[in-house]
Amino acid sequence: AQSVSQHNHHVILSEAASLELGCNYSYGGTVNLFWYVQYPGQHLQLLLKYFSGDPLVKGIKGFEAEFIKSKFSFNLRKPSVQWSDTAEYFCAVTSYNNNDMRFGAGTRLTVKP
Amino acid sequence: SAVISQKPSRDICQRGTSLTIQCQVDSQVTMMFWYRQQPGQSLTLIATANQGSEATYESGFVIDKFPISRPNLTFSTLTVSNMSPEDSSIYLCSVGQGRRETQYFGPGTRLLVL
Repeated sequence: AQSVSQHNHHVILSEAASLELGCNYSYGGTVNLFWYVQYPGQHLQLLLKYFSGDPLVKGIKGFEAEFIKSKFSFNLRKPSVQWSDTAEYFCAVTSYNNNDMRFGAGTRLTVKP
Repeated sequence: SAVISQKPSRDICQRGTSLTIQCQVDSQVTMMFWYRQQPGQSLTLIATANQGSEATYESGFVIDKFPISRPNLTFSTLTVSNMSPEDSSIYLCSVGQGRRETQYFGPGTRLLVL
């Protein structure tokens, strides 16, 4: 079945640590890839997206993600996290074989000050 | 990106009753979507609402339980009918230019059914 997998359920880091959150999908064909963030008490916001072109995508707040087609992955990275990055992060995928946006289960990031 | 508001922001309801959630967008949009986010879980698409046509429901969701209206290009409603505690969830609307395009989300409606 087509799915989106986020392997890390809860990640705890100290400030200034580097972050990498995994996202894998099982769709074939052309995909559009997204990372959304949900800060405590706030609504979902788009962090970054990939449609085509350079597989290394830069988003807001210093986040970036790399699309590796051969690995069906779109991992989110940040070289140095801040306490304010504490949030829930969702990977999402749309494909030309499917009409709807599928979300991963989410990864809760806690950054200790 | 569009600015999206939802009413109510939260509600506590008795089982067997119905609640209608409103979603208002500050600009005309082609497609509106309704999602459910159950406690501690990810988002699940309930239905897609296009203006001038019937909503398209995902597997596991039916019109009798979740009737949707889309009277114009800036507004939609989702009704949660004959509620049970299992319907306790956050309900979100989102907008986009197409089902494969970027979606922008409203703040959500937090529903608790007793």
